[in-house]
Order: sequence, then structure tokens, then C-alpha cells
Amino acid sequence: QKEVEQNSGPLSVPEGAIASLNCTYSDRGSQSFFWYRQYSGKSPELIMFIYSNGDKEDGRFTAQLNKASQYVSLLIRDSQPSDSATYLCAVNTGSNYQLIWGAGTKLIIKP
Amino acid sequence: ETGVTQSPTHLIKTRGQQVTLRCSSQSGHNTVSWYQQALGQGPQFIFQYYREEENGRGNFPPRFSGLQFPNYSSELNVNALELDDSALYLCASSLGDRSYEQYFGPGTRLTVT
Repeated sequence: QKEVEQNSGPLSVPEGAIASLNCTYSDRGSQSFFWYRQYSGKSPELIMFIYSNGDKEDGRFTAQLNKASQYVSLLIRDSQPSDSATYLCAVNTGSNYQLIWGAGTKLIIKP
Repeated sequence: ETGVTQSPTHLIKTRGQQVTLRCSSQSGHNTVSWYQQALGQGPQFIFQYYREEENGRGNFPPRFSGLQFPNYSSELNVNALELDDSALYLCASSLGDRSYEQYFGPGTRLTVT
């Protein structure tokens, strides 16, 4: 059973601080990794994707991938109250088109 | 806004009934994936359509079926509704069957009573 694990939270972070969200996956053949943000009652919104080991930065967001440790993370710098949402990690193993999803981490940014 | 639209927004059905949900993909996208998301869970893959053909299926029974039209819009049909089918149904469009950058519509909230 291929799995993607996330801490359900909630993760509470003060405004302006760095929020760190983590995700582990079980299939070593995984090739593509995605972070989605989902506000309550809304659909997931693609934030970032990463395919190679290392860091990928986009504005306040940085995705980090470590395939040896089967670990992917999302850092949010200068956290804002509008960043409060559930963050979903999704993984593709490369053997097919299917994304395997974690259950999400609820992030709360406190003003 | 992703340009992906879904209808209806909300739906209430009775156990045993049938339902059809609709999705229009983002302009230029030829692939539609359908997901079921229960409360507090991540999306579960139902199936994907690429150029009007089913391109893969998750662990859902045959009473979940779909269709994609020449304009790449899509339908999800669920027969013999069960209480556990109550969920948010999401469609996501992408370009190509191997593109994983999927963009979601707003979803359809289905309640089965």
C-alpha cells in the first residue's frame, strides 16, 4: 500500500514566522511531489511542485525534497493570517498517472 | 480561479438514487481526473479521462462511471447511492495524460440521506 503521511495538526505559527510542513512517502519510486493549499469548504489549489532533490523557491514558499529519506517539506516564510489553511501533499510514483494524497496538515497563523 | 467549473455546487440525494456530476476543464486541457474527498481526508482518485478514454481507475466500484466529451468536459455518474458516498467530489484538469500539475474546480458537495 503506497502511502503519504502528514501530521494532521493543527500547527500554530505566529504571524511573520516560518511555517514548516512535512510529508513522508512510502514508495521509493516516487518521482513527482506536489503541495496544495485548501481553504475550508474550497477545492485544493496548487502551490508548488518539485521533481528533483534539493530546494525549490517561489516567493515566500520553498519546497524541499530528500528522496533518500523519502521526505518532502514546504516552508512558508513571513507567514500571514491568509496562509491559514490545510496543506495537502500529493505524490506520483511515476508508474501511472495517479496522485497519492496525504490527509493534510491544518496550519493556523496567529496574528 | 483555475477556469475549471463544476455543477451543481451542492446536491442532496436519497440512498439508492443515481447522480450525475459535471465538469468543464480549463481551456487547452485535455485530461480530467475525478476525486472523492471525505471530510478531514485527502482526495481519493476515482478515475481519469484522457482524450475521451478512461486512462486509469482508483479503488472505486463499477457503480462509479464516467464520460469525457469531444470538448474535454466530463461527467461522473454514481449509481445506487450509499450513505458513504456523501463527500466533496472534485474534478481536476491537466494537459496530457502524464502531466501531474492538476488544477481543481470548486467541487460538488454531495449529501446522501
